[in-house]
Amino acid sequence: DAGVIQSPRHEVTEMGQEVTLRCKPISGHNSLFWYRQTMMRGLELLIYFNNNVPIDDSGMPEDRFSAKMPNASFSTLKIQPSEPRDSAVYFCASSRRTDYEQYFGPGTRLTVT
Amino acid sequence: GDSVTQMEGPVTLSEEAFLTINCTYTATGYPSLFWYVQYPGEGLQLLLKATKADDKGSNKGFEATYRKETTSFHLEKGSVQVSDSAVYFCALRDGSARQLTFGSGTQLTVLP
Repeated sequence: DAGVIQSPRHEVTEMGQEVTLRCKPISGHNSLFWYRQTMMRGLELLIYFNNNVPIDDSGMPEDRFSAKMPNASFSTLKIQPSEPRDSAVYFCASSRRTDYEQYFGPGTRLTVT
Repeated sequence: GDSVTQMEGPVTLSEEAFLTINCTYTATGYPSLFWYVQYPGEGLQLLLKATKADDKGSNKGFEATYRKETTSFHLEKGSVQVSDSAVYFCALRDGSARQLTFGSGTQLTVLP
């Protein structure tokens, strides 16, 4: 069974550009999480969805960040406009209702110049 | 609110040395506790977990015991290998919550 799939793996963009990160959770999982990892702040939960509905977005840093989950097999995290301080590794994770273990994707390394 | 405190790294050991990475937590309810491992360039993987007091989680030679009296979940391994070099994260999930609260991570380097 395929794990959590994220794309792109690496993204380099200029300040002010829109960035879209994509995630495909494991089939059958009904919760999806977006995390950001930086040296300064470690691993931060940005938002999570349950059954495609956003449950807690209190970790989203500001209005430039938005996340959607239009169906059970796809989610996006969008940054518009991007800033250099958004440079980080963004992880997507999913879990199923029964055991709650979170399975992480390989991450997207975002660099904003 | 919930929080997890890990010993600061980096930790550097020689192969076959004994490993301890300390982890303590603060939670309002009765949390489940986890250790995740992140190898270079990869996402986090669950290493072991414990869901109630006095439970011992174990996997790949690593162990951790849920100590409610000291609010701790220290990670141990009797003999580390070079392949154990990674970042280790302690985490908790409080009650029925779905989200995890992570510690800051501890970088482990094992030298041959």
